[in-house]
Order: sequence, then structure tokens, then C-alpha cells
Amino acid sequence: DAMVIQNPRYQVTQFGKPVTLSCSQTLNHNVMYWYQQKSSQAPKLLFHYYDKDFNNEADTPDNFQSRRPNTSFCFLDIRSPGLGDAAMYLCATSRVRGLGMNTEAFFGQGTRLTVV
Amino acid sequence: AQSVSQHNHHVILSEAASLELGCNYSYGGTVNLFWYVQYPGQHLQLLLKYFSGDPLVKGIKGFEAEFIKSKFSFNLRKPSVQWSDTAEYFCAVKDGNTGKLIFGQGTTLQVKP
Repeated sequence: DAMVIQNPRYQVTQFGKPVTLSCSQTLNHNVMYWYQQKSSQAPKLLFHYYDKDFNNEADTPDNFQSRRPNTSFCFLDIRSPGLGDAAMYLCATSRVRGLGMNTEAFFGQGTRLTVV
Repeated sequence: AQSVSQHNHHVILSEAASLELGCNYSYGGTVNLFWYVQYPGQHLQLLLKYFSGDPLVKGIKGFEAEFIKSKFSFNLRKPSVQWSDTAEYFCAVKDGNTGKLIFGQGTTLQVKP
């Protein structure tokens, strides 16, 4: 059973047209992440939530925003997609509970974003 | 600030050769350590993980890694590689308190038959 679900799997958007990617989880993990991965590159952390606390990476462009309305859902909003934003976007979750209770990250299948 | 560095960007080996990929991290707090593999056109797959305890961890597909705290290292090893091990390998470090998880730049492994 899928535990981290990303929708859609493929998204085509127009240059400059806002787009939202979604992620849901059934693991009840307290941490959720968004990564951008371009071809032949490492996943780049955009931001992560620890419960409701939002943590933005210093080099994440302002064009990228995120929302986490509850434990299960997290959204990535790209306000004005440019051609350089075409990539695979990965959502992941993990648990942080202190010593002995942490887990690895569980990844969704990703959303492949194309900007035309 | 948390950082991860993988020394080898591109490694080419013949089948049956031994493999060691270096990973060093920079962070003074509690860390959880991981190695992921990504085969061409496929998703990330967890190879192995370290949270605490025995610093030598064994993973899937015959891989193992050793955590050396004094060296801030978590190197990946395999005694004998196969052509099917051709892939991208990523070391990742998670802050055990905040959950922040970052990846190294990756190492491309090419195994020649």
C-alpha cells in the first residue's frame, strides 16, 4: 500500500502559470519534505516541516511556497514557473521522536513537472 | 550548518572489483545516516541506514557501511560489484533533532562487464 502519495505523477504547466503539487501520507510522520531533483543531480531540499514548523532553505527561491494544513497533507506551490523549474519534485516523510524513535525518509513516486 | 560531501563523483570499476565510496558530513549534533541508490530512470531506493549502535551496518544487495564518528564519515562498501550495480549513489544525513535531511552530490558508479 502506498504510504506517501504524490499527485499528479506528471504535470505540464505554462510558463508563468501557478501550479500546485500535492502530497499525502498515511504514516502519521511528523516531518514532511519537498525536494527538487533535476536529471543526473542529487535531490535538493527546498523546505521541510517539523509538525507545523516550516523550515525554508536559504537558497530556495521565493517562487516556491509550501503549505501543510494538517499532518497528512503537504502542498508545493510554484507561483510563476520558469523553464528552469522543470524537474522531478519529491515529497518525503519521516519521524523524529528523539533517541531511538527516528525513522528513515519514505519517498513518494514524485511529480514530473514540465514547463512549456 | 549541516553539509554532506561525497568525494568521488564518477567511479568506473570492472565486475568483481571492490567498491568504497566516501561520504563525510559536517554537523555536531545527533545524526542519522543513509545511503540511497538510484538506477537509471528509477526512483530512490534505500540501501542502508544508521541510527545508533553497531557502527557497521549491512544493507541490501550486499552493501555495507561503516560509521566513524571521529572522522564524521559514513563510507559505503561492497566486496564485489556487479554490472547491475551501475547507478547513482547518494549519501544522506538527517539531523536527529530537527529532521532536516540533506543529500550529498552523488557518485555515479559505472561497472564494466
